[in-house]
Amino acid sequence: QKEVEQNSGPLSVPEGAIASLNCTYSDRVSQSFFWYRQYSGKSPELIMSIYSNGDKEDGRFTAQLNKASQYVSLLIRDSQPSDSATYLCAVPQEDTGNQFYFGTGTSLTVIP
Amino acid sequence: DADVTQTPRNRITKTGKRIMLECSQTKGHDRMYWYRQDPGLGLRLIYYSFDVKDINKGEISDGYSVSRQAQAKFSLSLESAIPNQTALYFCATSERSRAYGYTFGSGTRLTVV
Repeated sequence: QKEVEQNSGPLSVPEGAIASLNCTYSDRVSQSFFWYRQYSGKSPELIMSIYSNGDKEDGRFTAQLNKASQYVSLLIRDSQPSDSATYLCAVPQEDTGNQFYFGTGTSLTVIP
Repeated sequence: DADVTQTPRNRITKTGKRIMLECSQTKGHDRMYWYRQDPGLGLRLIYYSFDVKDINKGEISDGYSVSRQAQAKFSLSLESAIPNQTALYFCATSERSRAYGYTFGSGTRLTVV
């Protein structure tokens, strides 16, 4: 089992809708979680981090964490065509902290 | 100027050639990383360094070497390039605390023919 798993998609939503992206992780002791957005051919850009169970909101983005079920999700409200990108979930290696494990990403397309 | 700069942005090279990818940063971060990204495989760690005298292999280090010339500079070398090293390469930096995530460079698209 991979450390971090995401549905690769593609996920398509109409403009203005809510996009829901999910990520599961295998290490029960993981404490922090990160979402990156990556436009095609560009580098990943950090958009959200979450450390505690529950929801964390930042503008149109909401990260949700459920440590008991080992999943973290990202909701994008009022989706815009500019949100079309691949979204990567990342979890740091807890035992040594030497690296982050990345999911393979979910491709999102927002249809105007 | 970008916080993490990679050169070159694009490179086409022939099989068997030696090539170096360079990364420099102005973030002041101690930790630097080299990843490659392939479709369907995501980001995979090649090498990482926590300071000038610390170099560590990642999960896919075979065929690669690195040099940490200074706190701000970390270069990746392909000693004898092969076609399956064709990929998008990213340099990243981070603070010591795992709480802040990575800052990525803009990437180098490498094609080995």
